[in-house]
Amino acid sequence: EAAVTQSPRNKVAVTGGKVTLSCNQTNNHNNMYWYRQDTGHGLRLIHYSYGAGSTEKGDIPDGYKASRPSQENFSLILELATPSQTSVYFCASARRDSAETLYFGSGTRLTVL
Amino acid sequence: GDKVKQSPSALSLQEGTNSALRCNFSIAATTVQWFLQNPRGSLMNLFYLVPGTKENGRLKSAFDSKESYSTLHIRDAQLEDSGTYFCAAEASNTNKVVFGTGTRLQVLP
Repeated sequence: EAAVTQSPRNKVAVTGGKVTLSCNQTNNHNNMYWYRQDTGHGLRLIHYSYGAGSTEKGDIPDGYKASRPSQENFSLILELATPSQTSVYFCASARRDSAETLYFGSGTRLTVL
Repeated sequence: GDKVKQSPSALSLQEGTNSALRCNFSIAATTVQWFLQNPRGSLMNLFYLVPGTKENGRLKSAFDSKESYSTLHIRDAQLEDSGTYFCAAEASNTNKVVFGTGTRLQVLP
């Protein structure tokens, strides 16, 4: 079973502060994704990556940066956090070009005050 | 959300009955995935589909890429089937996986 670990599980930040959400996967998956989940919107794609060194914009990238320093790690960075970024964030990974599903982490609940 | 529309948005079932959930796509999808988010928030994958059908126990899913829709059938619903069901489509020209807004299912005893 694929393992995707997110940290922290919960985070409270202040408006204007910098927040980094981390994701680690140990299954050598090429693709990694960051989603946010809000009531009424389902999961919306923020950034994704095809592999180490690659980051791509998803559907709602504004206000977020991503970093993929290695195959295993994919970070989501909020340089200047705002209350509208209060949400639950999910990281996922998948093998590229393979008949295999996304594997999700347990989520990070972020509150920006 | 607009690229992948799920229906119904919410549903209550009596234990032991059957139901069908549906996703319609306005993007050209090559694959479809179905997930169940349990009340604790964990997302569990149910199906990964290329055009065609798959079955797993009381669940059966179909994906028609030409008509741009997918269905998830639940047979003999159980209390543990309660949660929010999401479908997600992979766009044909990228590896982007786009989710619908979910169907909240409650199975009643």
